[in-house]
Amino acid sequence: EAQVTQNPRYLITVTGKKLTVTCSQNMNHEYMSWYRQDPGLGLRQIYYSMNVEVTDKGDVPEGYKVSRKEKRNFPLILESPSPNQTSLYFCASSSTSGGTNEQFFGPGTRLTVL
Amino acid sequence: QKEVEQNSGPLSVPEGAIASLNCTYSDRGSQSFFWYRQYSGKSPELIMFIYSNGDKEDGRFTAQLNKASQYVSLLIRDSQPSDSATYLCAVKVGSYQLTFGKGTKLSVIP
Repeated sequence: EAQVTQNPRYLITVTGKKLTVTCSQNMNHEYMSWYRQDPGLGLRQIYYSMNVEVTDKGDVPEGYKVSRKEKRNFPLILESPSPNQTSLYFCASSSTSGGTNEQFFGPGTRLTVL
Repeated sequence: QKEVEQNSGPLSVPEGAIASLNCTYSDRGSQSFFWYRQYSGKSPELIMFIYSNGDKEDGRFTAQLNKASQYVSLLIRDSQPSDSATYLCAVKVGSYQLTFGKGTKLSVIP
């Protein structure tokens, strides 16, 4: 089954404790992206990647890091999480070769930083 | 900053009625437009995309695009309670990035 997976789905952590949210897709997509979704603010892009070793900042990159060492994986790293990073996070992927370039979303990770 | 504006709602319609969801965008050069549906606590899923001016129909859904007015809409005919969700308008900026509106919450009343 074609899908985007994220782990963990739920995470409660404390300020300053480094964490990584994993994202993996099995569709051989070149493009991958991380979003956060907050009430009243909608979906905002954090980082995106056009392909292996190619990443760039989205609209709200502060406090986040990413890496793209393999095509299928695009982890999101919070080196020193703060309470304002409490949010619902989505990973998405899409093909860059023709078609609609529809973005497929993972199930989401709900993060709480105390 | 490229912006996508939607009325946050909630929009309430009776079962069987037509629901009309609207979206405006700021970047006149935008070429591709998407409507995603998001149930509470779930991830967004694509329901319609449109590239050309005019209407595009898919089952009970019709997307309408007017590039001159920078306006895109989604009509849902014969609305069902299962259509109750938040609808996100998204505009492709650059090569593959999407800018999302904040979403319109739709409630279909049985």
